[in-house]
Amino acid sequence: NAGVTQTPKFRVLKTGQSMTLLCAQDMNHEYMYWYRQDPGMGLRLIHYSVGEGTTAKGEVPDGYNVSRLKKQNFLLGLESAAPSQTSVYFCASSYKGGRPQETQYFGPGTRLLVL
Amino acid sequence: AQKITQTQPGMFVQEKEAVTLDCTYDTSDPSYGLFWYKQPSSGEMIFLIYQGSYDQQNATEGRYSLNFQKARKSANLVISASQLGDSAMYFCAMREYFPNNAGNMLTFGGGTRLMVKP
Repeated sequence: NAGVTQTPKFRVLKTGQSMTLLCAQDMNHEYMYWYRQDPGMGLRLIHYSVGEGTTAKGEVPDGYNVSRLKKQNFLLGLESAAPSQTSVYFCASSYKGGRPQETQYFGPGTRLLVL
Repeated sequence: AQKITQTQPGMFVQEKEAVTLDCTYDTSDPSYGLFWYKQPSSGEMIFLIYQGSYDQQNATEGRYSLNFQKARKSANLVISASQLGDSAMYFCAMREYFPNNAGNMLTFGGGTRLMVKP
């Protein structure tokens, strides 16, 4: 199993450009998440999904949109990138109703630089 | 709203010694879970240990143990016999459950950078 994969690994954008980050998981998890990590800080939740076709806002959703058309994929879109969105983006997934000690499974991260 | 506080931005420890990384949390929920993750310089998030709010005993996983003091709302990570490979960022996180079985999220502290000296 590949676990959670993210595409691309690294991207440089100019202010105002758009892009989509792809997250894929092969563990049949119902829940998926997008976090961002700014330098020297912990992860903050952007958006999450509890199942195919459903999404919800997290702690820092402004400037991002998401879609979950297939259970295994969770897309994060930036319609008009801003320098404040320079960050490392982590995708994660987890079971619905899993054991309390079940962690979220994290992808390797996507490093995004907005100039 | 929940809050996780890690008051030690950086720490040094001598190889083979034990080290304690502090974490305090704030929540009004009676049911919660606390996690510790390691993030090496390569960037991935590695799950280390979990403590449930109703667990009677402190969690242990190999060289990692969690000093859980519920009344003080602290969940400190203890690493015994530090190794050079333990040098990394360490994050404490708390699981919050959304109402109506609408999922859950992790709230992270700001992290502690641990540096192990040979």
